[in-house]
Amino acid sequence: EIVLTQSPATLSLSPGERATLSCRASQSVSSYLAWYQQKPGQAPRLLIYDVSNRATGIPARFSGSGSGTDFTLTISSLEPEDFAVYYCQQRSNWPPITFGQGTRLEIK
Amino acid sequence: EVQLLESGGGLVQPGGSLRLSCAASGFSFSSYAMTWVRQAPGKGLEWVSIITGSGGSTYYADSVKGRFTISRDNSQNMLYLQMNSLRAEDTAVYFCAKDRANWNADFDYWGRGTLVAVSS
Repeated sequence: EIVLTQSPATLSLSPGERATLSCRASQSVSSYLAWYQQKPGQAPRLLIYDVSNRATGIPARFSGSGSGTDFTLTISSLEPEDFAVYYCQQRSNWPPITFGQGTRLEIK
Repeated sequence: EVQLLESGGGLVQPGGSLRLSCAASGFSFSSYAMTWVRQAPGKGLEWVSIITGSGGSTYYADSVKGRFTISRDNSQNMLYLQMNSLRAEDTAVYFCAKDRANWNADFDYWGRGTLVAVSS
């Protein structure tokens, strides 16, 4: 099973700042990594698939990068609606499909 | 517009059974794999099961293998999760989600979830 480890667990930033979230895989997932955003009481929303492809309707301030075992989700300039929990997910070697434990992005 | 609506959750005793349903609309249902993902209270996302568009192949997380069964009715645009021998650790919100393609194993649309609580 591929384990995804996200860091930091919590990130405290202000609107307008740049956010950098990390996801590290226990073995290579090639380019098969996605990112999701989840707000309280809501379903997850797909942001990025295959490392760097934005899903439909996702603003350009969200970008993804990385390869192999180390991946980054960057939010270039935080908007108030971006404060949420973010999960990475791999589809390289499954089952099982696995998610990271999440990074909580909170307002400083 | 893609819509997914889960139902069937509730309170059940340990060892009991529940059947979750997910009604899909707004896309060609039989063309896409579908999945169930759960989230225990205050915890992260855990993948549960996936089924191909035709229903011919299914996979399960080890934590539910042998107890849960995923199925679909493409004539009714419905996805199901039959849950037997339920345990306290199965308590979670259960989401159904649509695969981005037929077997991509990432998920572009999600329902709002249905809560399953296993307790005596």
